[in-house]
Amino acid sequence: DADVTQTPRNRITKTGKRIMLECSQTKGHDRMYWYRQDPGLGLRLIYYSFDVKDINKGEISDGYSVSRQAQAKFSLSLESAIPNQTALYFCATSETGKGSNQPQHFGDGTRLSIL
Amino acid sequence: GEDVEQSLFLSVREGDSSVINCTYTDSSSTYLYWYKQEPGAGLQLLTYIFSNMDMKQDQRLTVLLNKKDKHLSLRIADTQTGDSAIYFCAEGESYGGSQGNLIFGKGTKLSVKP
Repeated sequence: DADVTQTPRNRITKTGKRIMLECSQTKGHDRMYWYRQDPGLGLRLIYYSFDVKDINKGEISDGYSVSRQAQAKFSLSLESAIPNQTALYFCATSETGKGSNQPQHFGDGTRLSIL
Repeated sequence: GEDVEQSLFLSVREGDSSVINCTYTDSSSTYLYWYKQEPGAGLQLLTYIFSNMDMKQDQRLTVLLNKKDKHLSLRIADTQTGDSAIYFCAEGESYGGSQGNLIFGKGTKLSVKP
């Protein structure tokens, strides 16, 4: 079983719809992240959370919101989807480092297409 | 702010060595990472190096770190078609509220020709 699970794996929807992407983890990590990946732009951080109910904006948070109600779950919402939010979305987790950074562990991604 | 740069494409022949290069800006980063992304999959942690090391070898993979030049490289010996993927370099943020977050390069797409 995957340690970091994203649902759905693929989603096609229309402009203006509300969409929620779910991420759950069994690694027991405190930190969770949402990224989007676009060709030629690499990974860009949307939001991150260091603990339950801790929410921090990343590089490109406009148009997105997140919820961290439990340690194992971190959901990403698009309140009113627009076509330029079409991308591959990744969730990741990491431990809290003691004065150092820790590796991040990724889910398999959600491919989102907005028409 | 911190930045990680890597070339976007690399093409090699099967059996040759591949060298993927990366430059970074944060000299305080404790660990530096290489991730591999195969088509249709997430990022998989490939290897990492502690900042007080110059080199780390793991089977066909060799990581070299030049702290003075802030240069990291990943060498894949005897490259196989299964090594075709996108490779991401990453460093850690060392300051402020986002301390511990990783900064990723844009990824190098490695194509291996038979």
